[in-house]
Amino acid sequence: EAQVTQNPRYLITVTGKKLTVTCSQNMNHEYMSWYRQDPGLGLRQIYYSMNVEVTDKGDVPEGYKVSRKEKRNFPLILESPSPNQTSLYFCASSPSSIPGGVGELFFGEGSRLTVL
Amino acid sequence: SQQGEEDPQALSIQEGENATMNCSYKTSINNLQWYRQNSGRGLVHLILIRSNEREKHSGRLRVTLDTSKKSSSLLITASRAADTASYFCATDAWYGNQFYFGTGTSLTVIP
Repeated sequence: EAQVTQNPRYLITVTGKKLTVTCSQNMNHEYMSWYRQDPGLGLRQIYYSMNVEVTDKGDVPEGYKVSRKEKRNFPLILESPSPNQTSLYFCASSPSSIPGGVGELFFGEGSRLTVL
Repeated sequence: SQQGEEDPQALSIQEGENATMNCSYKTSINNLQWYRQNSGRGLVHLILIRSNEREKHSGRLRVTLDTSKKSSSLLITASRAADTASYFCATDAWYGNQFYFGTGTSLTVIP
């Protein structure tokens, strides 16, 4: 089954304790991205990647790191989490950009992170 | 930021009625997409309309795009209780692959 898988789905952690949210897709998509969703703010892009070893900042990259060593995986790393990073996080992937832009995004089910 | 805005923020209608929600964005785009999100779940793609298209249909969905006004509308005809969800528009900037979502419209369809 074609899917985007995120782990963990739920996590409560404390300020400063490094954590990684994994994202894996089995559709051989080139484009992958991370978003955070907060009430009243919609989804905001954190980082995106056009292909292996190619990553770019989105709208809200501060406090996050990513890597794209393999096509299927795009982990999100919080080196020193803070309470303002408490949010619902989504990973998404898309096939090669259609001419003139990004195509349909396939989303994971989300990871709800609470930083105390 | 190019983040779009949906209007209205919340919409409540009776089953069988049509639902219309609007999206405005700020800069030139390649494509505009609409997504649906059931509470707390991942988003699901509904429809994509390219910047050179004005209208597109998919089942009970009708999307229009007016690039001169930087706006789009999503019409859901003959709504059903199962259409209850949040709806988001999303755009990618013409100059790159960054992707922007609007703030969403929460639709409630009353049986």
